[in-house]
Amino acid sequence: GENVEQHPSTLSVQEGDSAVIKCTYSDSASNYFPWYKQELGKRPQLIIDIRSNVGEKKDQRIAVTLNKTAKHFSLHITETQPEDSAVYFCAASGGYSTLTFGKGTMLLVSP
Amino acid sequence: GAGVSQTPSNKVTEKGKYVELRCDPISGHTALYWYRQSLGQGPEFLIYFQGTGAADDSGLPNDRFFAVRPEGSVSTLKIQRTERGDSAVYLCASSLYSAGANVLTFGAGSRLTVL
Repeated sequence: GENVEQHPSTLSVQEGDSAVIKCTYSDSASNYFPWYKQELGKRPQLIIDIRSNVGEKKDQRIAVTLNKTAKHFSLHITETQPEDSAVYFCAASGGYSTLTFGKGTMLLVSP
Repeated sequence: GAGVSQTPSNKVTEKGKYVELRCDPISGHTALYWYRQSLGQGPEFLIYFQGTGAADDSGLPNDRFFAVRPEGSVSTLKIQRTERGDSAVYLCASSLYSAGANVLTFGAGSRLTVL
C-alpha cells in the first residue's frame, strides 16, 4: 500500500517568513495529493490539493508543487501569519485507493 | 446536512465495554470513510463505504472493530471489548464520489477514552 513520509515534524518561523513542508510517497499510481490544516481540537480541513496532471497550483499565499518522477510534493506558505499556526498533513491517493496521510507538521508562526 | 456530523463528541468508557460511534455524512455523498487519529499522528484509515457496502476494510485493526452503513447514509462504527489502546479520535469523512482523487470532508470527530 501507499506510504507517505512528511517532514519536518515541527517548523517554527517568524511572521512574514515563508514555510515549506515536504512529503514523499511510494505508490507511483497515486494521482491526488491534498493538504489539510488541523487546528488544535478541530477537524482537518482541506486547504489545497493538486492532481498529477499539473506540476504546481497556487491559491493566494499557498502553493503546492508536485514532482511525479521523484514522487514528492511540497506545500509553500508565503508571508506567514500567526493564524497559519496549526498542524498540516499531506496525503496521497490514486485509483480506487483511499487517502493515506503523513504524520503531520506542526507549524508555529511567531509574531 | 450541511456538514459531516459525528456523535458523541466525547465518549469515556471502561476497558472491556462496547461502544458505538455514529457518523451522518453530507447529504448526497455516496462515499463514507472512518479514520482514527492518535495524539500527534496523522489520520489512519480504517474502513471505506461506497453506498451500503464496505469497499475496503483493510484498515480495521482486528475483529473487535466493525462498521455498518445499512441505508447508504448514516454509518456506525462499533468497537467490542474496548482496550486502552483504542483511545483516539475517530474521524468520519464523506465524499461525493468513490475513493481515489476525490475531496474528503471531515467531521469534528468522536474522542474515545478507554480507562
